[in-house]
Amino acid sequence: GESVGLHLPTLSVQEGDNSIINCAYSNSASDYFIWYKQESGKGPQFIIDIRSNMDKRQGQRVTVLLNKTVKHLSLQIAATQPGDSAVYFCAESRFTGNQFYFGTGTSLTVIP
Amino acid sequence: DSGVTQTPKHLITATGQRVTLRCSPRSGDLSVYWYQQSLDQGLQFLIHYYNGEERAKGNILERFSAQQFPDLHSELNLSSLELGDSALYFCASSARGGPPSTDTQYFGPGTRLTVL
Repeated sequence: GESVGLHLPTLSVQEGDNSIINCAYSNSASDYFIWYKQESGKGPQFIIDIRSNMDKRQGQRVTVLLNKTVKHLSLQIAATQPGDSAVYFCAESRFTGNQFYFGTGTSLTVIP
Repeated sequence: DSGVTQTPKHLITATGQRVTLRCSPRSGDLSVYWYQQSLDQGLQFLIHYYNGEERAKGNILERFSAQQFPDLHSELNLSSLELGDSALYFCASSARGGPPSTDTQYFGPGTRLTVL
């Protein structure tokens, strides 16, 4: 299957700081990427997506950056809050495909 | 709350047994997806149903099967359970069953299966 992995399994940040979560993917044919947030005891929740024809996409307090040259994806969370504590997954898909390939996740802990 | 419901929340059983996990999609969604999340792995796609018909299969074992009923709820059947089947099982639903790029999947809260 596809290989979508995360650089760091855990990340701790101070409340109010910015967080950066990284993700590497292996298949250069991948053209659609999604970040999911999974809080304890809950299912994954869609955060933001990006297509391969874009380098950057911004949402509310979140920004996703895509570097196709090095097959790298990152999620930036501005002014991190305690409610941001969760596991974050990147997922890769073909724009016309029906399947996701998920990474193992990064656990983000926000320190008050 | 995503609108996707899963029952039971927790399930503890013994090796060799069979269990059934249930999923109700969001109102109006025609597609149901099943995923397995093990302790040291990301989400693994198992199977996708659209309007009662199997649409795609992922890494689903032959001991596992699923179906989607006329009312669009789905059941995942796991048989001859092994210790390694202990995991979180998530169901997701989407409106049409198209590519994730155009058809967002909404996940349920999951069922935690423990095989002893």
